[in-house]
Amino acid sequence: NAGVTQTPKFQVLKTGQSMTLQCAQDMNHNSMYWYRQDPGMGLRLIYYSASEGTTDKGEVPNGYNVSRLNKREFSLRLESAAPSQTSVYFCASRPGGLAAFSTYNEQFFGPGTRLTVL
Amino acid sequence: AQSVSQHNHHVILSEAASLELGCNYSYGGTVNLFWYVQYPGQHLQLLLKYFSGDPLVKGIKGFEAEFIKSKFSFNLRKPSVQWSDTAEYFCAVISDNYGQNFVFGPGTRLSVLP
Repeated sequence: NAGVTQTPKFQVLKTGQSMTLQCAQDMNHNSMYWYRQDPGMGLRLIYYSASEGTTDKGEVPNGYNVSRLNKREFSLRLESAAPSQTSVYFCASRPGGLAAFSTYNEQFFGPGTRLTVL
Repeated sequence: AQSVSQHNHHVILSEAASLELGCNYSYGGTVNLFWYVQYPGQHLQLLLKYFSGDPLVKGIKGFEAEFIKSKFSFNLRKPSVQWSDTAEYFCAVISDNYGQNFVFGPGTRLSVLP
């Protein structure tokens, strides 16, 4: 049981390049999330998927797209990277689905991807 | 708008000192509250959580937190810190009034001096 996995762990891009961050969970969770972490700002939600087949914007979605490929996988794509997207990106999942204000609210985090855009 | 604030940006303590990290939120309705810890170079791990019932919750590694509804607070405490507690601590809230997404505080960096 690996929990939440992310690839790659590190990435350096040039401005304008594109890339996809991969996330997978093996806990049969319904909901998955992408956050970015910047110093002094905590975690900010980029996009989330409450259940397979749905995705929604979070607090800071501009410049990103997501795909919920199946129940296990949730990818984050940067179409044209900018220096402002230099950050650490965390994927998370939790059991609850659409009606999930309950004890299923705990989030489990992946190890993160450190992205630098030059 | 909903928000979570943490009182201290950086706390420096000596080993064996007592710790209290503040967390306040601005939500109405029913809330679930969490403290996560991030050790250097690692991902976030759950320290403790409050869903309902006893407002004093105990977590891993000797941490505890008290939910005070009237003060919209969920402060984290530990009677005696260790060097290994050096980490960043994040408070998070989810409220039934505001959908199902967590909102995280900005984090408090704790440095424990040996």
